[in-house]
Amino acid sequence: GQNIDQPTEMTATEGAIVQINCTYQTSGFNGLFWYQQHAGEAPTFLSYNVLDGLEEKGRFSSFLSRSKGYSYLLLKELQMKDSASYLCAVKRGSQGNLIFGKGTKLSVKP
Amino acid sequence: DVKVTQSSRYLVKRTGEKVFLECVQDMDHENMFWYRQDPGLGLRLIYFSYDVKMKEKGDIPEGYSVSREKKERFSLILESASTNQTSMYLCASSLARVPALRETQYFGPGTRLLVL
Repeated sequence: GQNIDQPTEMTATEGAIVQINCTYQTSGFNGLFWYQQHAGEAPTFLSYNVLDGLEEKGRFSSFLSRSKGYSYLLLKELQMKDSASYLCAVKRGSQGNLIFGKGTKLSVKP
Repeated sequence: DVKVTQSSRYLVKRTGEKVFLECVQDMDHENMFWYRQDPGLGLRLIYFSYDVKMKEKGDIPEGYSVSREKKERFSLILESASTNQTSMYLCASSLARVPALRETQYFGPGTRLLVL
């Protein structure tokens, strides 16, 4: 079957670091995406991993281990505006078909 | 900047009505997608299209159909709306590349549909 798991909710403090985990079991793998979605808005692209290892982009980094079916999104120097849902998605086929996890709602407290 | 627009932000319909949700993208993208998003269930793929007049079923196509007569426009049709189709509907598009690896999906603002 197809399954993508991520925690439902997380809370962190402004200025801290938070790691959001994602595990997946899918038929076919052609890369893993992370999206950010603020309440009432459309998801926006954050990162993409297709090879094992860490991809860094400013305050955000994403890690992938294909052998373990595991990824994480690391957010550093948290800001209040980082309060949002973070969606993990696996690309199954070669033509862009994504399957999404249910999302992790992150609340950043002062 | 990529722009994906959806015809309505909010829509209220009655059970049994035929509903059309329109999506337009202005970046000449080949791929277009329709999702619905529900609390606790996340984003689920309804239908997608890789070319004009071409469509593929996603994970939850029952009760829906689609139309892609022009490259920039992808329509989602609810032939006879039911209350369990009350949801947030999101359209997305992406550019097909060879090799098709890193193409990002760009999402529209969503249509919140209420079926009474």
